[in-house]
Amino acid sequence: DAGVTQSPTHLIKTRGQQVTLRCSPKSGHDTVSWYQQALGQGPQFIFQYYEEEERQRGNFPDRFSGHQFPNYSSELNVNALLLGDSALYLCASSLAQTGELFFGEGSRLTVL
Amino acid sequence: AQSVTQLDSHVSVSEGTPVLLRCNYSSSYSPSLFWYVQHPNKGLQLLLKYTSAATLVKGINGFEAEFKKSETSFHLTKPSAHMSDAAEYFCVVSDLGMNTGFQKLVFGTGTRLLVSP
Repeated sequence: DAGVTQSPTHLIKTRGQQVTLRCSPKSGHDTVSWYQQALGQGPQFIFQYYEEEERQRGNFPDRFSGHQFPNYSSELNVNALLLGDSALYLCASSLAQTGELFFGEGSRLTVL
Repeated sequence: AQSVTQLDSHVSVSEGTPVLLRCNYSSSYSPSLFWYVQHPNKGLQLLLKYTSAATLVKGINGFEAEFKKSETSFHLTKPSAHMSDAAEYFCVVSDLGMNTGFQKLVFGTGTRLLVSP
């Protein structure tokens, strides 16, 4: 049983570019959450998707957007990249609103 | 809003000695609390969780934590450290959206556990 899988594992972008990160949830899970972990910090909640809709959002600008597909997989998009967007982006899946979260290994984004 | 404070950014122990990682929480209602571990270049793994059942919670790899409401604390302990325990540990509180019913996790800043031979 595959856990939460994320792609790509590493990527490098330059300021002003756009990036798309992908996440496949654990089998049977229907809710996907995204977190940003800057170097030396704890993860910060970005947003959460359930039934293809954004259900809850953290304190992140509109440059951060997402999508959930009918198969429950999800994408995180970041536009107009800033140096400060460099971080590990973690995807977590769960069953329904309050199930236990399972995390993927993350996508490490470097913005130059 | 829910929050947690990890009192130590780094903790150093010798292999075979006890581990204590400290965490205080702030919550307007009975909280759900967690400890997660993150090994280098790895994702987050749940060690244990407290959800208002027994106040002493046992987790994986010999770790346990005690919920103390009077002290608003949820410290993580292990009787004897192993080299493989060296990692980053996060104390986490669940924040349930009052209007949405969806939970999000609020992480502390982390404690790096160093284990020397």
